[in-house]
Amino acid sequence: DTEVTQTPKHLVMGMTNKKSLKCEQHMGHRAMYWYKQKAKKPPELMFVYSYEKLSINESVPSRFSPECPNSSLLNLHLHALQPEDSALYLCASSTQPGEVRYGYTFGSGTRLTVV
Amino acid sequence: SQQGEEDPQALSIQEGENATMNCSYKTSINNLQWYRQNSGRGLVHLILIRSNEREKHSGRLRVTLDTSKKSSSLLITASRAADTASYFCATTMDSNYQLIWGAGTKLIIKP
Repeated sequence: DTEVTQTPKHLVMGMTNKKSLKCEQHMGHRAMYWYKQKAKKPPELMFVYSYEKLSINESVPSRFSPECPNSSLLNLHLHALQPEDSALYLCASSTQPGEVRYGYTFGSGTRLTVV
Repeated sequence: SQQGEEDPQALSIQEGENATMNCSYKTSINNLQWYRQNSGRGLVHLILIRSNEREKHSGRLRVTLDTSKKSSSLLITASRAADTASYFCATTMDSNYQLIWGAGTKLIIKP
């Protein structure tokens, strides 16, 4: 299995809703990432998990809450989002933190719309 | 954070022609990678070139790196309709392994 699976593919949520994005990989990668991407822009790093521990938080608002239950799963919990949070949310993984010889493996993303 | 610039921002060519995209960056790098993104979906890693390499090939892809000019180019030969996508370069530095992304080039291959 050489892929990262993200669910759901599309999500529409109200500003008072609580929802979660899920990401799963079975490649044995020990670094996992959440990115946010707006239209026609490159991805912006949000969080980095290294060996299931949060190692980088790029000053992301607390309405985004990441969780890494085990080495294969990564969640992003969403609460009280704003319309400007609408974007494509991408999960990625790499063999180890700092190991970029093989590039990152990205999921297909969750298209989030906040209404 | 965004370090690189890519040009052109958009490129439209006929199927079968070669497509060249350029990426410039600002600081010393450890390596430079190119990714493809189809229709706002996930990014696919295409090729990585290390700072001590000058040229690398993978199938129809050819990447060059000029560290003195802090620039790289991606050449796609004999383009196909399926190559229509956005292409991003990304660099990593010795001191920080995070990916620093270029702005991207939108490539359209006309049949």
